[in-house]
Amino acid sequence: SQQGEEDPQALSIQEGENATMNCSYKTSINNLQWYRQNSGRGLVHLILIRSNEREKHSGRLRVTLDTSKKSSSLLITASRAADTASYFCATDAAQGGSEKLVFGKGTKLTVNP
Amino acid sequence: EPEVTQTPSHQVTQMGQEVILRCVPISNHLYFYWYRQILGQKVEFLVSFYNNEISEKSEIFDDQFSVERPDGSNFTLKIRSTKLEDSAMYFCASSRGSLFGETQYFGPGTRLLVL
Repeated sequence: SQQGEEDPQALSIQEGENATMNCSYKTSINNLQWYRQNSGRGLVHLILIRSNEREKHSGRLRVTLDTSKKSSSLLITASRAADTASYFCATDAAQGGSEKLVFGKGTKLTVNP
Repeated sequence: EPEVTQTPSHQVTQMGQEVILRCVPISNHLYFYWYRQILGQKVEFLVSFYNNEISEKSEIFDDQFSVERPDGSNFTLKIRSTKLEDSAMYFCASSRGSLFGETQYFGPGTRLLVL
């Protein structure tokens, strides 16, 4: 299988704290994307990081990518109760021209007010 | 901001019935996808569609499934004879190009329940 897992599977923090979620994968990739899913709802795209990038920021989000370790992390700073959701990483496959995204199982983040 | 839309939001059907799930991708996008998520499980790729034909499909996408772009705006997923295990959230997605730096934007999903 191409994809590893996010960890932790679940994370509970207080409002204002930072949340860090990790993602590992197994094969070479072109890009890695992070998505958010509120309970039972659609997938909201957060950020895309290319394989030649090491770090990317968007508002309170910071994503890092380490292709040598085949891992990525998503940091949410100064968390809010509204950040409560599941967070997924998704990768493509560098070889074979595949367009599909392969998702991990996700990290369920709970931010307590 | 343009977004992918899907109808219906919920669908309940009897086993063996045909269902059609509808999607309107973002208007200038060229690549279209269907994914599904069984409750509590990973999001899984079903099929990708480009230039009016299937470009890739997964093992899940068997002969019971078909996709179509009947006009310039809609993209549909048909399940010919639903099974209990087809119960899932089905997501449509679209992107401007293939995956070299292109984001896939997802719709809100259709929750399908097969009884």
